[in-house]
Amino acid sequence: TQLLEQSPQFLSIQEGENLTVYCNSSSVFSSLQWYRQEPGEGPVLLVTVVTGGEVKKLKRLTFQFGDARKDSSLHITAAQPGDTGLYLCMRGGNQFYFGTGTSLTVIP
Amino acid sequence: NAGVMQNPRHLVRRRGQEARLRCSPMKGHSHVYWYRQLPEEGLKFMVYLQKENIIDESGMPKERFSAEFPKEGPSILRIQQVVRGDSAAYFCASSPQPSGAYNEQFFGPGTRLTVL
Repeated sequence: TQLLEQSPQFLSIQEGENLTVYCNSSSVFSSLQWYRQEPGEGPVLLVTVVTGGEVKKLKRLTFQFGDARKDSSLHITAAQPGDTGLYLCMRGGNQFYFGTGTSLTVIP
Repeated sequence: NAGVMQNPRHLVRRRGQEARLRCSPMKGHSHVYWYRQLPEEGLKFMVYLQKENIIDESGMPKERFSAEFPKEGPSILRIQQVVRGDSAAYFCASSPQPSGAYNEQFFGPGTRLTVL
């Protein structure tokens, strides 16, 4: 099983705080996607990272792909209530594995 | 530019009945993926289809579940003789390209199946 472990599983923070969530595996990925899922909705693609060491920014979100392409992190600066949701990583390639998810709650 | 559409959004069935879940991919997408999500869990891959072909069904339970993506019309996920353990949210995704390094998928809003 190509397990993708995400941590922390649950995170509750105050508005304005910074946070980082992680996606780790023992396997090398050809690429990795991050999705956000809001309650009652399907996941929405945030970003794809492909190159080891790659950093991508999406407004207050910063995504990093590990040098060895086995792990990734998502950093959110000055979190807002609209960031609340389930953050999922998914490996690229021809196997469709999602991570275990991080459920983020940002309290106003 | 409509996204992925799924219907019904909510479906209630009694044990032993059949459930049919429909998915219309985004315009121009010919690759469809089905996932299941249990409460408080992540998404589990079930099946990957192209038009008239099942490419990968490694995540599909061996019995009672089937999927199709005909030349015309939506993709259908069919669950026969439903049991309470089938209660979950079922998501469909589509992509314009075959699975590969980028593998970017666009998800529908899901069908929430409740088995009484």
